Amino acid sequence: NAGVTQTPKFQVLKTGQSMTLQCAQDMNHEYMSWYRQDPGMGLRLIHYSVGAGITDQGEVPNGYNVSRSTTEDFPLRLLSAAPSQTSVYFCATSSGGEHTEAFFGQGTRLTVV
Amino acid sequence: ILNVEQSPQSLHVQEGDSTNFTCSFPSSNFYALHWYRWETAKSPEALFVMTLNGDEKKKGRISATLNTKEGYSYLYIKGSQPEDSATYLCAFTPRSGGSNYKLTFGKGTLLTVNP
Repeated sequence: NAGVTQTPKFQVLKTGQSMTLQCAQDMNHEYMSWYRQDPGMGLRLIHYSVGAGITDQGEVPNGYNVSRSTTEDFPLRLLSAAPSQTSVYFCATSSGGEHTEAFFGQGTRLTVV
Repeated sequence: ILNVEQSPQSLHVQEGDSTNFTCSFPSSNFYALHWYRWETAKSPEALFVMTLNGDEKKKGRISATLNTKEGYSYLYIKGSQPEDSATYLCAFTPRSGGSNYKLTFGKGTLLTVNP
Protein backbone atom coordinates (compact mmCIF):
# COMPACT_ATOMS: atom_id res chain seq x y z
CA ASN A 1 0.00 0.00 0.00
CA ALA A 2 1.24 3.48 -0.87
CA GLY A 3 -0.64 5.18 2.01
CA VAL A 4 -0.96 8.91 1.31
CA THR A 5 0.65 10.18 -1.90
CA GLN A 6 1.16 13.84 -2.66
CA THR A 7 2.29 15.27 -5.97
CA PRO A 8 4.30 17.20 -6.89
CA LYS A 9 7.02 17.23 -4.21
CA PHE A 10 8.31 20.63 -5.31
CA GLN A 11 6.79 23.43 -7.37
CA VAL A 12 7.69 26.99 -8.28
CA LEU A 13 4.89 29.26 -9.49
CA LYS A 14 4.71 32.81 -10.68
CA THR A 15 2.31 35.18 -8.97
CA GLY A 16 -1.13 34.81 -10.53
CA GLN A 17 -0.62 31.31 -11.86
CA SER A 18 -2.97 28.51 -10.88
CA MET A 19 -2.16 24.95 -9.97
CA THR A 20 -3.54 21.87 -8.24
CA LEU A 21 -1.78 19.93 -5.51
CA GLN A 22 -2.78 16.30 -5.66
CA CYS A 23 -3.45 14.01 -2.71
CA ALA A 24 -4.41 10.37 -3.11
CA GLN A 25 -4.88 7.69 -0.47
CA ASP A 26 -5.42 3.96 -0.65
CA MET A 27 -6.35 3.47 3.01
CA ASN A 28 -10.11 3.83 2.47
CA HIS A 29 -10.18 6.66 5.01
CA GLU A 30 -13.23 8.91 5.13
CA TYR A 31 -11.48 11.96 6.46
CA MET A 32 -8.94 13.99 4.49
CA SER A 33 -7.36 17.34 5.30
CA TRP A 34 -4.91 19.87 3.92
CA TYR A 35 -2.47 21.71 6.17
CA ARG A 36 0.19 24.29 5.50
CA GLN A 37 3.43 24.55 7.44
CA ASP A 38 5.14 27.90 7.81
CA PRO A 39 8.17 28.73 9.97
CA GLY A 40 7.14 29.47 13.54
CA MET A 41 3.46 28.82 12.81
CA GLY A 42 2.89 25.10 13.23
CA LEU A 43 0.58 23.12 10.98
CA ARG A 44 -2.57 25.08 10.08
CA LEU A 45 -5.72 23.52 8.65
CA ILE A 46 -6.75 24.85 5.22
CA HIS A 47 -9.71 22.65 4.21
CA TYR A 48 -11.02 19.27 5.21
CA SER A 49 -13.48 16.64 4.03
CA VAL A 50 -15.46 14.09 6.02
CA GLY A 51 -16.37 12.03 2.96
CA ALA A 52 -16.94 12.12 -0.77
CA GLY A 53 -18.97 15.14 -1.76
CA ILE A 54 -18.46 16.95 1.59
CA THR A 55 -15.87 19.64 2.23
CA ASP A 56 -15.49 22.46 4.73
CA GLN A 57 -13.14 25.29 5.58
CA GLY A 58 -10.40 25.14 8.16
CA GLU A 59 -8.46 27.92 9.83
CA VAL A 60 -6.81 29.46 6.71
CA PRO A 61 -9.03 28.70 3.65
CA ASN A 62 -8.67 31.94 1.68
CA GLY A 63 -7.08 31.50 -1.74
CA TYR A 64 -7.68 27.76 -1.85
CA ASN A 65 -10.44 25.54 -3.23
CA VAL A 66 -11.01 21.83 -2.70
CA SER A 67 -13.34 19.14 -3.95
CA ARG A 68 -13.87 15.51 -3.00
CA SER A 69 -15.47 13.56 -5.80
CA THR A 70 -14.06 10.21 -4.65
CA THR A 71 -12.96 8.72 -1.33
CA GLU A 72 -9.41 8.37 -2.65
CA ASP A 73 -8.63 11.89 -3.93
CA PHE A 74 -8.64 15.33 -2.34
CA PRO A 75 -7.00 17.93 -4.61
CA LEU A 76 -6.13 21.42 -3.38
CA ARG A 77 -6.42 24.21 -5.95
CA LEU A 78 -4.68 27.55 -5.92
CA LEU A 79 -6.66 29.75 -8.30
CA SER A 80 -4.28 32.72 -8.42
CA ALA A 81 -1.06 32.08 -6.54
CA ALA A 82 0.35 34.76 -4.24
CA PRO A 83 3.76 34.95 -2.53
CA SER A 84 1.95 34.53 0.82
CA GLN A 85 1.08 31.01 -0.30
CA THR A 86 4.74 30.00 -0.32
CA SER A 87 4.71 27.14 2.16
CA VAL A 88 4.98 23.40 2.65
CA TYR A 89 1.64 21.70 2.18
CA PHE A 90 0.66 18.41 3.83
CA CYS A 91 -2.30 16.21 3.10
CA ALA A 92 -3.51 13.97 5.92
CA THR A 93 -6.09 11.22 6.21
CA SER A 94 -7.86 9.56 9.10
CA SER A 95 -10.49 6.91 9.55
CA GLY A 96 -12.03 9.23 12.12
CA GLY A 97 -12.45 6.79 14.96
CA GLU A 98 -11.87 7.82 18.56
CA HIS A 99 -8.31 6.50 18.78
CA THR A 100 -7.27 7.02 15.20
CA GLU A 101 -4.20 8.99 14.28
CA ALA A 102 -3.74 11.05 11.13
CA PHE A 103 -1.52 9.75 8.35
CA PHE A 104 0.43 12.36 6.42
CA GLY A 105 1.73 12.56 2.89
CA GLN A 106 5.34 13.51 2.22
CA GLY A 107 4.51 17.17 1.63
CA THR A 108 4.66 19.58 -1.31
CA ARG A 109 7.08 22.49 -1.09
CA LEU A 110 5.57 25.39 -3.03
CA THR A 111 7.36 28.64 -3.83
CA VAL A 112 5.47 31.54 -5.38
CA VAL A 113 7.70 34.21 -6.91
CA ILE B 1 -9.20 29.69 17.09
CA LEU B 2 -8.12 27.07 19.64
CA ASN B 3 -4.92 27.72 21.55
CA VAL B 4 -2.48 24.81 21.72
CA GLU B 5 0.84 25.72 23.30
CA GLN B 6 4.01 23.65 23.45
CA SER B 7 7.07 24.26 25.56
CA PRO B 8 9.92 24.55 25.29
CA GLN B 9 10.25 25.63 21.65
CA SER B 10 13.58 23.84 21.39
CA LEU B 11 15.76 21.66 23.56
CA HIS B 12 19.33 20.38 23.34
CA VAL B 13 20.25 17.35 25.44
CA GLN B 14 23.14 14.94 25.66
CA GLU B 15 22.83 11.30 24.64
CA GLY B 16 21.54 9.33 27.60
CA ASP B 17 19.68 12.25 29.21
CA SER B 18 15.99 11.93 29.94
CA THR B 19 13.79 14.81 28.93
CA ASN B 20 10.19 15.95 28.80
CA PHE B 21 8.05 18.53 27.03
CA THR B 22 4.65 20.03 27.68
CA CYS B 23 1.53 20.56 25.59
CA SER B 24 -1.30 22.71 26.95
CA PHE B 25 -4.75 22.85 25.38
CA PRO B 26 -8.29 24.03 26.18
CA SER B 27 -9.65 21.95 29.05
CA SER B 28 -13.27 22.39 28.02
CA ASN B 29 -14.87 20.42 25.20
CA PHE B 30 -11.99 17.92 25.05
CA TYR B 31 -12.11 14.96 22.65
CA ALA B 32 -8.56 13.79 21.93
CA LEU B 33 -4.91 14.76 22.20
CA HIS B 34 -2.36 13.51 19.65
CA TRP B 35 1.44 13.40 19.75
CA TYR B 36 3.44 13.23 16.50
CA ARG B 37 7.13 12.86 15.78
CA TRP B 38 8.40 14.83 12.79
CA GLU B 39 11.87 14.22 11.43
CA THR B 40 13.44 16.69 9.03
CA ALA B 41 12.50 16.07 5.37
CA LYS B 42 9.89 13.49 6.37
CA SER B 43 6.21 13.66 7.26
CA PRO B 44 4.79 13.64 10.80
CA GLU B 45 4.19 10.19 12.26
CA ALA B 46 1.82 9.45 15.11
CA LEU B 47 3.18 8.46 18.51
CA PHE B 48 0.05 8.48 20.65
CA VAL B 49 -3.64 9.33 20.57
CA MET B 50 -5.00 9.94 24.06
CA THR B 51 -8.61 10.41 25.00
CA LEU B 52 -9.11 9.71 28.73
CA ASN B 53 -8.11 11.86 31.68
CA GLY B 54 -5.21 10.18 33.45
CA ASP B 55 -4.21 8.21 30.35
CA GLU B 56 -0.59 7.09 30.25
CA LYS B 57 0.80 5.59 27.04
CA LYS B 58 4.22 4.15 26.29
CA LYS B 59 6.13 3.20 23.16
CA GLY B 60 9.66 2.02 23.87
CA ARG B 61 11.53 4.83 25.63
CA ILE B 62 8.79 7.38 24.92
CA SER B 63 5.75 7.85 27.12
CA ALA B 64 2.99 10.41 27.52
CA THR B 65 0.49 11.43 30.16
CA LEU B 66 -2.77 13.32 29.88
CA ASN B 67 -4.64 15.65 32.25
CA THR B 68 -7.84 16.82 30.56
CA LYS B 69 -9.17 18.64 33.64
CA GLU B 70 -6.26 21.08 33.70
CA GLY B 71 -5.53 20.91 29.98
CA TYR B 72 -2.01 19.56 29.65
CA SER B 73 -0.06 16.56 28.42
CA TYR B 74 3.58 15.63 29.00
CA LEU B 75 5.80 13.68 26.64
CA TYR B 76 8.79 11.93 28.23
CA ILE B 77 11.83 10.45 26.53
CA LYS B 78 14.01 8.22 28.68
CA GLY B 79 17.69 7.88 27.80
CA SER B 80 17.61 10.10 24.70
CA GLN B 81 19.44 8.87 21.61
CA PRO B 82 20.61 10.90 18.58
CA GLU B 83 17.89 9.23 16.50
CA ASP B 84 15.30 10.84 18.79
CA SER B 85 16.23 14.21 17.32
CA ALA B 86 13.05 15.54 15.72
CA THR B 87 10.23 18.01 16.19
CA TYR B 88 7.52 16.70 18.51
CA LEU B 89 4.04 18.01 17.76
CA CYS B 90 0.91 17.81 19.82
CA ALA B 91 -2.55 18.30 18.34
CA PHE B 92 -5.92 18.82 20.01
CA THR B 93 -9.35 17.76 18.80
CA PRO B 94 -12.41 19.34 20.40
CA ARG B 95 -15.66 17.47 20.93
CA SER B 96 -17.40 18.83 17.85
CA GLY B 97 -19.30 16.15 16.05
CA GLY B 98 -17.28 13.57 17.99
CA SER B 99 -14.67 12.92 15.35
CA ASN B 100 -10.92 12.89 15.24
CA TYR B 101 -10.41 14.51 11.88
CA LYS B 102 -9.99 18.19 12.72
CA LEU B 103 -6.69 18.75 14.50
CA THR B 104 -5.31 21.99 15.91
CA PHE B 105 -1.55 21.70 16.21
CA GLY B 106 0.92 23.34 18.53
CA LYS B 107 4.10 24.81 17.06
CA GLY B 108 6.18 21.89 18.22
CA THR B 109 9.24 21.26 20.36
CA LEU B 110 12.48 20.76 18.42
CA LEU B 111 14.66 18.20 20.22
CA THR B 112 18.33 17.83 19.38
CA VAL B 113 20.23 14.98 21.02
CA ASN B 114 23.99 15.40 20.91
CA PRO B 115 26.14 12.23 20.80
